[in-house]
Amino acid sequence: EVQLVESGGGLVQPGGSLRLSCAAPGITFSSYAMNWVRQAPGKGLEWVSGISGSGDSTYYADSVKGRFTISRDNSKNTLYLQMNSLRAEDTAVYYCAKDWDLGEYWGQGALVTVSS
Amino acid sequence: DIQMTQSPSAMSASVGDRVTINCRASQGISNDLAWFQQKPGKVPERLIYSVSSLQSGVPSRFSGSGSGTEFTLTISSLQPEDFATYYCLQHNSFPLTFGGGTKVEIK
Repeated sequence: EVQLVESGGGLVQPGGSLRLSCAAPGITFSSYAMNWVRQAPGKGLEWVSGISGSGDSTYYADSVKGRFTISRDNSKNTLYLQMNSLRAEDTAVYYCAKDWDLGEYWGQGALVTVSS
Repeated sequence: DIQMTQSPSAMSASVGDRVTINCRASQGISNDLAWFQQKPGKVPERLIYSVSSLQSGVPSRFSGSGSGTEFTLTISSLQPEDFATYYCLQHNSFPLTFGGGTKVEIK
């Protein structure tokens, strides 16, 4: 059974930074593309960023381009999302999801709140 | 970017009803279309992939169809546990994009 476990969420002030992690124990992590998807309170789903299995290719939504950086450490089976210059509109639950089609495996979500 | 226009945004239906939810892509996406169900406070779950393939463990009352730019999710006989919000997703090109969601409520 594939498990994805996010961590690193919390409260941060506007303009601040936060790094999310997504651990994926027990799988051949480097074989799979990974993504971040977010959901603002009471809103729909928004794809944020994706990264290839090797880490060579990365993709971003326009809303986060230049502020967020996706990366992975295949030796630790861990995905990251470095979030800088955070804004109130970045407040959301952030999910990691396996595969380019977002597949059947999602993490439980990490809440990020941007507020002063 | 490919826009996914989902309709309706909300609907009321009764147990046993046949429900259809539509998604239109702003350009062709081949068969790179999936449907997700999300219940309040829960993680989204994939129901359908590649337009019409049923995810393992998903009841057969759910089905998907369509091609090109027009896609449909059908629930043949709505059950109490099906009251939820449904999203389509295109993964043909980046950025990946979701439809706006359809909230299915009890009539």
